[in-house]
Amino acid sequence: DQQVKQNSPSLSVQEGRISILNCDYTNSMFDYFLWYKKYPAEGPTFLISISSIKDKNEDGRFTVFLNKSAKHLSLHIVPSQPGDSAVYFCAASRPEIGANSKLTFGKGITLSVRP
Amino acid sequence: DADVTQTPRNRITKTGKRIMLECSQTKGHDRMYWYRQDPGLGLRLIYYSFDVKDINKGEISDGYSVSRQAQAKFSLSLESAIPNQTALYFCATSVNQGSGELFFGEGSRLTVL
Repeated sequence: DQQVKQNSPSLSVQEGRISILNCDYTNSMFDYFLWYKKYPAEGPTFLISISSIKDKNEDGRFTVFLNKSAKHLSLHIVPSQPGDSAVYFCAASRPEIGANSKLTFGKGITLSVRP
Repeated sequence: DADVTQTPRNRITKTGKRIMLECSQTKGHDRMYWYRQDPGLGLRLIYYSFDVKDINKGEISDGYSVSRQAQAKFSLSLESAIPNQTALYFCATSVNQGSGELFFGEGSRLTVL
């Protein structure tokens, strides 16, 4: 049972336009959501996150929106740049017993930004 | 220098061989993890450790074992490698509090023939 879903495997956008990457989750216990970016031959790196008590978090060109009622979040990149071309993973965490937490990842989406 | 270092970066082996992937970190984090990445399947958790005396199975632990030799070192072993263990393996660390944000190594690509 996949608890974090990224249903679109790929997205191609023109440089300068907006990229919208979507993520859905099924577990209502998730309370923190993160986006990771991965270039080929490198490990994933943290990009941006949002707590379940918020509906929006912005960091420069990157904004994450959370719709708890729909169990849906999205990452907006504006404007998109060729260097943004990478695989983006959505991840979610929930508090475990003992206040520990670990991440559940989606399958990832490959973003290609065309010059 | 990378904060989370994995060795080897690439390894080709044969079915039935024992393989160890090693991970060391200089971030001072207590928590360490092993994930594998497969095309179309994303990142899946194999094992994790919240401190030196703590070892926990993740969602796909069968066929793997781990050892937490010290706070900074966490190794993953395949006792008898099989072809469907061909994948990209990532070690990661995190702090004790907060969201669980992970810091990943650069990955170890393992091919089992």
